[in-house]
Order: sequence, then C-alpha cells, then structure tokens
Amino acid sequence: AQTVTQSQPEMSVQEAETVTLSCTYDTSESDYYLFWYKQPPSRQMILVIRQEAYKQQNATENRFSVNFQKAAKSFSLKISDSQLGDAAMYFCAYRRFFGNEKLTFGTGTRLTIIP
Amino acid sequence: KAGVTQTPRYLIKTRGQQVTLSCSPISGHRSVSWYQQTPGQGLQFLFEYFSETQRNKGNFPGRFSGRQFSNSRSEMNVSTLELGDSALYLCASSFVNTGELFFGEGSRLTVL
Repeated sequence: AQTVTQSQPEMSVQEAETVTLSCTYDTSESDYYLFWYKQPPSRQMILVIRQEAYKQQNATENRFSVNFQKAAKSFSLKISDSQLGDAAMYFCAYRRFFGNEKLTFGTGTRLTIIP
Repeated sequence: KAGVTQTPRYLIKTRGQQVTLSCSPISGHRSVSWYQQTPGQGLQFLFEYFSETQRNKGNFPGRFSGRQFSNSRSEMNVSTLELGDSALYLCASSFVNTGELFFGEGSRLTVL
C-alpha cells in the first residue's frame, strides 16, 4: 500500500521569505501523480501544484515549485515570496496513474506566515 | 463554472441517528469521491463512484454507504451514528484520468 509522510507538523516563515515543506512517499509503482493541496481556514481544499512521475522536470506554478526526487521518493514544496494568504494546512498527496481516483494524503503541515 | 457543491454545510445529530450528505460535482465530471477528515485520523478515503458504480471503497464499516445518480450527483449515508463519526466530510470530483481532484467545502457533522 502507498503511504505519504509529512514530517513537519508545523512551519512558520516571515512574509516575503521562502519556505520549503517536505514530503516523502512509498510506492512500488513507476507511474503516478503527486500533488500539493492547500486547505485554508475556510477549509476548501485547493490544488497548489501537481507532478507526473514520468516527467523529469519539476513543476512550477508562479511562486510555488516542487523538488521531485523520484529515486529518493521525495516531493518537497517551495513557496517563494511568502504572502499572508499562504497561511494554511498543506497536504501532500499521491495517486496512482492508472485506475481509480483515490488520493492518499499525508498528515499535513500547518504553515504560519509571520508579518 | 460552478465548483463542487456540498449540502448541508453543518449538521448536528445524536447517536443512533442516520445522516445523508449530498454532493454535486463540477459539470462534466463523472467521478465523485468522498473523504472523511478528522484531527486524529487525518484525511481518509471513503469511496469513489463513476457512472453510478462504486469503483473503490476505503476501510470503513458498512454503516457508511453511498450512491451516485445518472447526473453524477452523489450522496453518502451514515447509519447508526457514533460519536467517532464526527468529522468534516469532503466530496471531490474529477474528469476521469486527469489526475487532480476538485474538492467541495465539506459537510461538518457533529454527533452528540
């Protein structure tokens, strides 16, 4: 069974600085998706960024980028120029490439932005 | 384009009662999944439906059930409620095999 581990329950960063959230996962499959989801206090889960395992290039979405290390099964999220609106719970998630739509989530990292 | 809509947003029930939660997916999305979110257990997969068929089920007791209608709307039902069923229930929809799920705001269930 696939597992996703987020070892940082809480992180904080000064506004405008850069922060990196860690995620590791375990799978025996070679093709899969990885995601970072954000859940603000209003609680709707929002997709931040996605990575297909077959792509070697790291995904980037504006201030958000990932460091995908397939061999190490590591998938970290870097947030640059942190803003107050980035404060939220961040969940790393895994999904098989083929088959059903089930996501396996990590336990989340609560990110606080310090003004 | 309207997002995933869940109703009701909040509800309070007592032990032994049953509850039905509803989810309307994004137009064109045929897959609907349900997740339970609690502080202790985190986000746990309940089940996933596609074209009115349950394709996958998580490790929950038979008191948790669901269904999907021909218009892709989905409902989940929890019977004989227990205190431990108090949680945020999240529904998510996807356009098959695009990878990402789109979540609703959730239904907050409190069992007294």
